[in-house]
Amino acid sequence: NAGVTQTPKFRVLKTGQSMTLLCAQDMNHEYMYWYRQDPGMGLRLIHYSVGEGTTAKGEVPDGYNVSRLKKQNFLLGLESAAPSQTSVYFCASSYSGQGGEQFFGPGTRLTVL
Amino acid sequence: ILNVEQSPQSLHVQEGDSTNFTCSFPSSNFYALHWYRWETAKSPEALFVMTLNGDEKKKGRISATLNTKEGYSYLYIKGSQPEDSATYLCAPKGSGGSNYKLTFGKGTLLTVNP
Repeated sequence: NAGVTQTPKFRVLKTGQSMTLLCAQDMNHEYMYWYRQDPGMGLRLIHYSVGEGTTAKGEVPDGYNVSRLKKQNFLLGLESAAPSQTSVYFCASSYSGQGGEQFFGPGTRLTVL
Repeated sequence: ILNVEQSPQSLHVQEGDSTNFTCSFPSSNFYALHWYRWETAKSPEALFVMTLNGDEKKKGRISATLNTKEGYSYLYIKGSQPEDSATYLCAPKGSGGSNYKLTFGKGTLLTVNP
């Protein structure tokens, strides 16, 4: 099993460009999450999904959109990238939203110039 | 958003020392407390998920305790080794409508010197 994978691993964008980050998990998990990690800020939740076809906002959703068309995939979109979105993005999944540990992907390092 | 405090922010110990650090969280509407270990250039990995007041969990030289009434958890490492160097994150989960989400603390960065 690959666990949680993220594509791409690195990306450099110019301000105003758009992109989509892909998260895939092969553990049949219902719950998926997108976090961003910034120095001194810890992990902050952007959006999450409690099942196929559902999404919800986390702590810092502004400037991002998500979709969960298939259970195994959770996409994070930046419509118009800004330098403030320079960060490391982590995807995670869990089998249970109530008590299950989260399994994290390897991260995507995004730089917006 | 839950208010989660971890202390200390960073810690340097010598190989063989035992150490501990603290996670504080709101005691109301508590559901679960997660501990994660995050090595540099890797992804966070779960250590423990704790739900019951007074619970104690152990994995090798690492153990954790939970006090839900006063809102804190301790993580202990016995006989620290250089490979224990990592950031240790705690993340409480509230009950009710927000129980799908974890709120992560900023972590304690542990450095174990050989």
